[in-house]
Amino acid sequence: EPEVTQTPSHQVTQMGQEVILRCVPISNHLYFYWYRQILGQKVEFLVSFYNNEISEKSEIFDDQFSVERPDGSNFTLKIRSTKLEDSAMYFCASSEALTLAKNIQYFGAGTRLSVL
Amino acid sequence: DQQVKQNSPSLSVQEGRISILNCDYTNSMFDYFLWYKKYPAEGPTFLISISSIKDKNEDGRFTVFLNKSAKHLSLHIVPSQPGDSAVYFCAASPLYGNKLVFGAGTILRVKS
Repeated sequence: EPEVTQTPSHQVTQMGQEVILRCVPISNHLYFYWYRQILGQKVEFLVSFYNNEISEKSEIFDDQFSVERPDGSNFTLKIRSTKLEDSAMYFCASSEALTLAKNIQYFGAGTRLSVL
Repeated sequence: DQQVKQNSPSLSVQEGRISILNCDYTNSMFDYFLWYKKYPAEGPTFLISISSIKDKNEDGRFTVFLNKSAKHLSLHIVPSQPGDSAVYFCAASPLYGNKLVFGAGTILRVKS
């Protein structure tokens, strides 16, 4: 069964450093998403991406964050200068389309980001 | 952000019985609702969805009911199995929208 793959599973970084979280969405999917879950809190939407541009972003997704689809398979989330409060589980998701039966978002296993 | 609420943090059910997980929402723009299951160290796994044009959707042991006037949906699992023990998240979006808004989750424990 096709799945969303995320690497690394755990990333430890020092405050102020840049990190790149990587995702390989399901191959025929056109819509890509990043969510995060801070420990003990809800899963929160960060950004959605379609046709090589951001289609929607949340207030959390400020100038420190960027997304990119550098090639035909990868989808990345970059945090330029990490803060302690960026420590969270980051989930990548993808969906085939926005039509009713195909607007199901499938999630990867997540990357745990620990900022020290 | 309290647009999607799961008021029961946990639920314990005997194997073979029915599990009922509840979810309330406040945003009238939500037209599409999904349930996800999550095991520790894994991502949310899609279970079942329902759009606002229906009031019930069934898939095997899982049935989701939607009451639009009450802005309430529920997930029924019958019969419950020990392998169903996980965190269950309710999520909502506008029908052709991008963004899912999640509830806080309900921990389901199915006892054998």
